[in-house]
Amino acid sequence: NAGVMQNPRHLVRRRGQEARLRCSPMKGHSHVYWYRQLPEEGLKFMVYLQKENIIDESGMPKERFSAEFPKEGPSILRIQQVVRGDSAAYFCASSPGAGYTEAFFGQGTRLTVV
Amino acid sequence: KQEVTQIPAALSVPEGENLVLNCSFTDSAIYNLQWFRQDPGKGLTSLLLIQSSQREQTSGRLNASLDKSSGRSTLYIAASQPGDSATYLCAVGTGANNLFFGTGTRLTVIP
Repeated sequence: NAGVMQNPRHLVRRRGQEARLRCSPMKGHSHVYWYRQLPEEGLKFMVYLQKENIIDESGMPKERFSAEFPKEGPSILRIQQVVRGDSAAYFCASSPGAGYTEAFFGQGTRLTVV
Repeated sequence: KQEVTQIPAALSVPEGENLVLNCSFTDSAIYNLQWFRQDPGKGLTSLLLIQSSQREQTSGRLNASLDKSSGRSTLYIAASQPGDSATYLCAVGTGANNLFFGTGTRLTVIP
């Protein structure tokens, strides 16, 4: 049973380009969470999704950021018109349920905006 | 809003020593508390999960305790090894379906 898979591991984008980050949850997990870790800061929650539904996006910036978890395929975190301040490590986690269940994290995607 | 604090921010110990990492949180209405390990440039590895109704969990040389009423958790590492060197993160799970993380304790075990 493979763990949470994220790709790419490293992504370099020029200012103004789009970044697309992918996350495949563990087998049997239908809950996906995205977190962002800025340099020298703790992880911050961004968004919580189940298949085809955004459950909680209270941590998402209001503009340029969007997330989806389609019926088929991985969850996608999309950042449009990237700026230098978007440079961070983006982690995806999955769990079989919400609340009391354990979250398992992927290796992260390190986004660098130049 | 839940705030999670970890003390100390960094810790350096000689190999073989027992050590305790501390985590405190401001809102005791939690579902669970999870300890993670993060190696430089890597992802998070789950170490221990304590449900809100539990007092402690053990895995090998690791023991985590939870005192929900006082908003505290500790991670005890016995007989530390150089391979234990990493950043240890405490995260509190709430009914809002997300985890609130501390900024971590960076542990260095000196051979």
